[in-house]
Amino acid sequence: EPEVTQTPSHQVTQMGQEVILRCVPISNHLYFYWYRQILGQKVEFLVSFYNNEISEKSEIFDDQFSVERPDGSNFTLKIRSTKLEDSAMYFCASSSDRVGGGYTFGSGTRLTVV
Amino acid sequence: AQRVTQPEKLLSVFKGAPVELKCNYSYSGSPELFWYVQYSRQRLQLLLRHISRESIKGFTADLNKGETSFHLKKPFAQEEDSAMYYCVSYRAGANNLFFGTGTRLTVIP
Repeated sequence: EPEVTQTPSHQVTQMGQEVILRCVPISNHLYFYWYRQILGQKVEFLVSFYNNEISEKSEIFDDQFSVERPDGSNFTLKIRSTKLEDSAMYFCASSSDRVGGGYTFGSGTRLTVV
Repeated sequence: AQRVTQPEKLLSVFKGAPVELKCNYSYSGSPELFWYVQYSRQRLQLLLRHISRESIKGFTADLNKGETSFHLKKPFAQEEDSAMYYCVSYRAGANNLFFGTGTRLTVIP
């Protein structure tokens, strides 16, 4: 069964540093997403991406964040000048169409900002 | 505003006992609701969706518009059902998922 792959599984970074979280979506999927889950809190939507541009973003996704699809396979989330409160589990997901049940999630990257 | 509420953070039942994980929603239009599950050390995955009215791994969930609920039920819990369960609504216009806070189910042998 096809999988969404996320690397690294755990990233530790110093406050103020930039991090890039990487995702390889399922190859024939067209929609890509980032979600995050702060420890003990709910899974929250960050951004969706379609046709090489952001289609939706939440209020969490401010100028500190950016996404990119640099080639045909990778989908990255960049966090500039990380803050302690950015510590969370970041999930990438992809889907073939705009259907809520069609998401495939990656296993997540745990980001720890120290 | 669209909301899903899961009132129980933790739920423990004995193996073989019935289990019900509660979910209530608030949504002005026709909701599209799902249950996602995350087993230990595994990724989030879809368990079932309300439109299909199917039973997956013995679980069912019925949309009750009168009570605005979408509770997940299973008549006889198994140890392998222990996991984190999320009630999720889909925002079609925005194409994103809105998660409840989740309920951690523990099935006691």
